[in-house]
Amino acid sequence: ILNVEQSPQSLHVQEGDSTNFTCSFPSSNFYALHWYRWETAKSPEALFVMTLNGDEKKKGRISATLNTKEGYSYLYIKGSQPEDSATYLCACLFNFGNEKLTFGTGTRLTIIP
Amino acid sequence: DVKVTQSSRYLVKRTGEKVFLECVQDMDHENMFWYRQDPGLGLRLIYFSYDVKMKEKGDIPEGYSVSREKKERFSLILESASTNQTSMYLCASTQEGQHNQPQHFGDGTRLSIL
Repeated sequence: ILNVEQSPQSLHVQEGDSTNFTCSFPSSNFYALHWYRWETAKSPEALFVMTLNGDEKKKGRISATLNTKEGYSYLYIKGSQPEDSATYLCACLFNFGNEKLTFGTGTRLTIIP
Repeated sequence: DVKVTQSSRYLVKRTGEKVFLECVQDMDHENMFWYRQDPGLGLRLIYFSYDVKMKEKGDIPEGYSVSREKKERFSLILESASTNQTSMYLCASTQEGQHNQPQHFGDGTRLSIL
């Protein structure tokens, strides 16, 4: 069983502060990593899909980095806003010849106004 | 924009009933997936499908079956519902080659089995 682990489980951040959280995964057979944002009462929304070691992607105030050799990815949010409150899901695709994503348990982020 | 539509947001059924959860996508995606989400656990894959009439078991297929008679529609069936199947169910679809394509999710069905 391949474990994708996210930390912390939950996080409270003051509005305007920056924050980051982690996704860890086994580096052997790694193929791709996905980040999703899941707001309450909505569907999970894709943020990034990353495959290359050292890759860095950015979408507005949110960015992500990937280290495939040591098996981790960081998601950064700069200048947190109330609308950033959501659960952030990390998922990995491994090179086993199928399309199955393995999801972490998520980081629940709450922005305090 | 890709639209993945699940037939119900909330559903309440009784133990032993046969339950159908429907999912439709409008982007001609080959791959479709059914997950369940429970507190403290990540999304767990129940079944997935690469093509019409094709299905593969995910990590927790017991007590479920699926049907994919048309490319756009993927149905999840609870053969005889039990209380431990109370959960949030999410459907997703994606184009082939997930190494650079995200999954697109429906809004979810919160299913309660009484």
